[in-house]
Amino acid sequence: EVQLVESGGGLVKPGGSLRLSCAASGFTFSDAWMGWVRQAPGKGLDWIGRIKSKTNGGTTDYAAPAKGRFSISRDDSKNTLYLQMNSLQTEDTAVYYCITILLWFGEAPIYMAVWGTGATVTVSS
Amino acid sequence: NFVLTQPHSVSDSPGKTVTISCTRSSGSIASNFVQWFQQRPGSSPATLIYEDNQRPSGVPDRFSGSIDSSSNSASLTISGLKTEDEADYYCQSYDGTNLVFGPGTKVTVL
Repeated sequence: EVQLVESGGGLVKPGGSLRLSCAASGFTFSDAWMGWVRQAPGKGLDWIGRIKSKTNGGTTDYAAPAKGRFSISRDDSKNTLYLQMNSLQTEDTAVYYCITILLWFGEAPIYMAVWGTGATVTVSS
Repeated sequence: NFVLTQPHSVSDSPGKTVTISCTRSSGSIASNFVQWFQQRPGSSPATLIYEDNQRPSGVPDRFSGSIDSSSNSASLTISGLKTEDEADYYCQSYDGTNLVFGPGTKVTVL
């Protein structure tokens, strides 16, 4: 069974940093494109970005609000995806989900197959 | 950049059919694949439809997706409505690497 379990969430002050982890199991992690989506309290879903498999170059792409502040990386030896978040603001308060991307068209994910359990990040003074 | 518009809410009785629209503000809806996600209260989202009309394994065939170029919209149809279908439903598409989610539609089973 494919499982994604996020960790590392918590309370952080504005301007602070946090690193989320996503432990993957049940599939060949190194072959997978992976991504992050977030959901602010009571709001809809927002795309953060994705990382390709190393076979496909291992490159990253980010939504505009995440560029320059957020960084996605992976450790295939640990089957783990990371989201490094810097210069956090109150509007970054959200549940952060990692996802597996099974299909893509060009550079865009077109099938986000599995969603993680979510990690809650609260940015507040 | 484009925007996806969904109705805020839809409701109907068990056994009925509901359809949720997802209208693209600019660019052709047919140019880029659409996904649909279901999020039950307190749970993570789950993928219902990908590539406009494909269902992942395990998703009941009561759920179907379609595209209508004349209205520049995608639609999710839920037939034989069940109480367990009460959830928020989100559409999503893209333009290049810019992924856009709709605001979500709350489905209430009366």
